[in-house]
Amino acid sequence: DVKVTQSSRYLVKRTGEKVFLECVQDMDHENMFWYRQDPGLGLRLIYFSYDVKMKEKGDIPEGYSVSREKKERFSLILESASTNQTSMYLCASSSQGAERNSPLHFGNGTRLTVT
Amino acid sequence: AQKITQTQPGMFVQEKEAVTLDCTYDTSDPSYGLFWYKQPSSGEMIFLIYQGSYDQQNATEGRYSLNFQKARKSANLVISASQLGDSAMYFCAMRELMIKAAGNKLTFGGGTRVLVKP
Repeated sequence: DVKVTQSSRYLVKRTGEKVFLECVQDMDHENMFWYRQDPGLGLRLIYFSYDVKMKEKGDIPEGYSVSREKKERFSLILESASTNQTSMYLCASSSQGAERNSPLHFGNGTRLTVT
Repeated sequence: AQKITQTQPGMFVQEKEAVTLDCTYDTSDPSYGLFWYKQPSSGEMIFLIYQGSYDQQNATEGRYSLNFQKARKSANLVISASQLGDSAMYFCAMRELMIKAAGNKLTFGGGTRVLVKP
């Protein structure tokens, strides 16, 4: 089974702090994704990556950056956390050569609170 | 415009009854896939069912089935014989397959919260 692990389940940070959310997958997947989940808005894509050192902006990249130095690890960075970044963050992965019907595999999420 | 619309923010269903969750989508891509996920209170995202745009038959997976109406751009999830464990958030999502920039990503709707009553 694919395992996607997010390093923290809950995180509380102060406004202006630099925040790192870590995600590791163990299935040698090329594609990795960061989503944020907010009530009524569903999941919105922040950034994704097709390969090591490659990244693509999603629908809401403002205020975020990412790092993919190793294939299995995809980090989401909040350079200066703000209260409007309080949310649930979900990491996901999939294989590059995946069949069109292959789903994304998700981690259990990190609930971030910025005070 | 929203790519995926789920118009029901929440609904109650009696145990053992069937429930239909609505999903409409918007795309110009002729080739796409539609997914449904379940998210219980634990937060994990559980993949339920898939429907391809060129599939001739509606997808079924155990108690889950998809009512796919391509001309209306709708892909409603039907859960038959609801169980207490079906109480969760349900998300509809789409993958556009011909648009190169879309990549492998999924675009999600806002979700529907289902509460099954005993």
